[in-house]
Amino acid sequence: QVQLVQSGAEVRKPGSSVKVSCKSPGGTFRSDAMSWVRQAPGQGLEWVGGIIPMFRITHYAQKFQGRVTITTDEFSTMAYMELSSLRSDDTAVYYCARSSGYHLKNNWLDPWGQGTLVTVSS
Amino acid sequence: DIVMTQTPLSLSVTPGQPASISCKSSQSLLNSDGKTYLYWYLQRPGQSPQLLIHEVSNRFSGVPDRFSGSGSGTDFTLKISRVEAEDVGVYYCMQTIEVPLTFGPGTKVDIK
Repeated sequence: QVQLVQSGAEVRKPGSSVKVSCKSPGGTFRSDAMSWVRQAPGQGLEWVGGIIPMFRITHYAQKFQGRVTITTDEFSTMAYMELSSLRSDDTAVYYCARSSGYHLKNNWLDPWGQGTLVTVSS
Repeated sequence: DIVMTQTPLSLSVTPGQPASISCKSSQSLLNSDGKTYLYWYLQRPGQSPQLLIHEVSNRFSGVPDRFSGSGSGTDFTLKISRVEAEDVGVYYCMQTIEVPLTFGPGTKVDIK
């Protein structure tokens, strides 16, 4: 099964930022939306936000507004999620997941990346 | 935001026996286009979530036919007709009728 390829694990100090990348082998993000979902240790799945590359529109979950920036580089088939002002409770595995259509709504998420562990610790 | 709830939160099943998971949404997931945007995922231990069911009852490519989904509006069910060892993991329902996309808390399934 095709899987998105994410960048490796990161360790950051509280207050700093992290940028995670996601690559779609053999395809582009020109037409499909991309979401980022996180999973804290032992916890469930939480949608962070997403981007509609066709219109360069982003949507973020309210709790991350002002701290997260999701972008794509359509020419290199990469998507990025940057999270700033990191806190210890941001420690989680962050997944990228591609929508089955151009919009974040009304589409399923598949495939997913393998996940990137971000650890926030002093 | 649409709140998704699941019951039970954990389930221990004898191989070969059926299993059923309920998912409820705080708002109807029926869209004006006639489709209902409810999905089921399985996250096996140490793996990324994988799509099982889309739009309530449609099995995704490669998903065994022992998995089935049903429901409408705000009440949905995932059924496994005969649980196998490889079905162990956490099952999530998810809605995409509006952003933010939201997930249920997950139902952990293990084998007796």
